[in-house]
Amino acid sequence: AQKVTQAQTEISVVEKEDVTLDCVYETRDTTYYLFWYKQPPSGELVFLIRRNSFDEQNEISGRYSWNFQKSTSSFNFTITASQVVDSAVYFCALSDYSGNTPLVFGKGTRLSVIA
Amino acid sequence: DTGVSQNPRHKITKRGQNVTFRCDPISEHNRLYWYRQTLGQGPEFLTYFQNEAQLEKSRLLSDRFSAERPKGSFSTLEIQRTEQGDSAMYLCASSPRTGSYNSPLHFGNGTRLTVT
Repeated sequence: AQKVTQAQTEISVVEKEDVTLDCVYETRDTTYYLFWYKQPPSGELVFLIRRNSFDEQNEISGRYSWNFQKSTSSFNFTITASQVVDSAVYFCALSDYSGNTPLVFGKGTRLSVIA
Repeated sequence: DTGVSQNPRHKITKRGQNVTFRCDPISEHNRLYWYRQTLGQGPEFLTYFQNEAQLEKSRLLSDRFSAERPKGSFSTLEIQRTEQGDSAMYLCASSPRTGSYNSPLHFGNGTRLTVT
C-alpha cells in the first residue's frame, strides 16, 4: 500500500524566512513518481513538480527547491525568502510509475507567511 | 486553455436531498477525475473517466454516488439521499490525451457541499 505522511500540520513564518515542508512516503514499488501541489485559499490545487524515482538530483525553480532522498523515503520542499503569496496548503503525493493507480495525497501542510 | 470549471462553487442541502455537480475539463484533455477533500485532509480519489468510459471507481464511492461523462466532454457527479458525512469539497481534475495517473493533474476550484 502507498502512503504519504506530512507530519507538519501548520507552519508559520515571517516573510523572507526560508521554510522546509517535509514529506515522507511509503511504497513497495521500486519505481514511482512523487508530486507537490499547492492549494491557495481559492481552493484550486496547482501542480508544482513531478519527480520520478530514478532521478535523485535536487531541483531548483526560482525560490522553490526540492530534495529527494530515496534512502530516507523523503521528498522535502523548501521555499527560500518566503513571501505572503506563498501562504497556502501544500500537498505531497505519490503514484506508481505505470500510472495505473490513482495519486495518493498526504494530509497537507498549511503554510502561513506573515508580513 | 480556460482551465477546469466546476459548478456550483457552493451547495447547501438538507439531508436526504439529491445534489448534482458539474465539471467542464480542459477541452483537449480526455481524462477526467473526481476527488473528495474533507477538512484537514488531502484529496481522496473517487473515480475517473477516459473519454466517456468510467474506468475506475474507489470504494469510497457508495451506491448513492453516480458519475457520468456523456460524449466524453463535461461530467456530472450526483449524490442521492445526501448524508451529513457527504459534506466535503468535491474536486474535479483533468489530464491530457496521453495522460495517466502519473501525469500532472489540472484541478478546478471545487464544489463545496454542506449537508445540514
